[in-house]
Amino acid sequence: ETGVTQSPTHLIKTRGQQVTLRCSSQSGHNTVSWYQQALGQGPQFIFQYYREEENGRGNFPPRFSGLQFPNYSSELNVNALEQDDSALYLCASSLGQGALPDTQYFGPGTRLTVL
Amino acid sequence: ILNVEQSPQSLHVQEGDSTNFTCSFPSSNFYALHWYRWETAKSPEALFVMTLNGDEKKKGRISATLNTKEGYSYLYIKGSQPEDSATYLCALGVYGGSQGNLIFGKGTKLSVKP
Repeated sequence: ETGVTQSPTHLIKTRGQQVTLRCSSQSGHNTVSWYQQALGQGPQFIFQYYREEENGRGNFPPRFSGLQFPNYSSELNVNALEQDDSALYLCASSLGQGALPDTQYFGPGTRLTVL
Repeated sequence: ILNVEQSPQSLHVQEGDSTNFTCSFPSSNFYALHWYRWETAKSPEALFVMTLNGDEKKKGRISATLNTKEGYSYLYIKGSQPEDSATYLCALGVYGGSQGNLIFGKGTKLSVKP
């Protein structure tokens, strides 16, 4: 059984640029959640995808967008990057709706630095 | 906005010491309490999920308890080892909303000295 993987591991961008982060979910999982962890904080929910549809969104602006593909892998896109977007971005997969409690299994994260 | 609080923020213990830390949460909207262990440069690892008041879970030297009426959970580590050094996160499971269905605390960073 393959765990959750994320790419790239690290990324450096400049303000105003756009970035795409990728996540492959654990085998058998149809739900992917994305989190942002800023320095000194716990992970903050960005959004969740269930079977290719957005299934909940946190308090993040529209320049944070996502996609889920038929194989349940997912992308997080951030446009017009700001320095405050510098953080660790975590992806987590889970069995999804109907499976309560729905334990989320995390990838190792992508460290984004915005200069 | 629901808040999950963890204490202490960090902890330094000697190998062999037993230790415990706390996760506090509002008891409304509750359906589960999750504990994760997060070692540096690795993925957060799911330790326990608890749903019922009075639940106790154990995995080797690590155990956790849950009190949903007063809104807290304790994580205990018996005879700490250097490999227990990690950040321990708790997360409140709620029915989905703008905060998502897992609301995390900031974590307790444990360092175990040999």
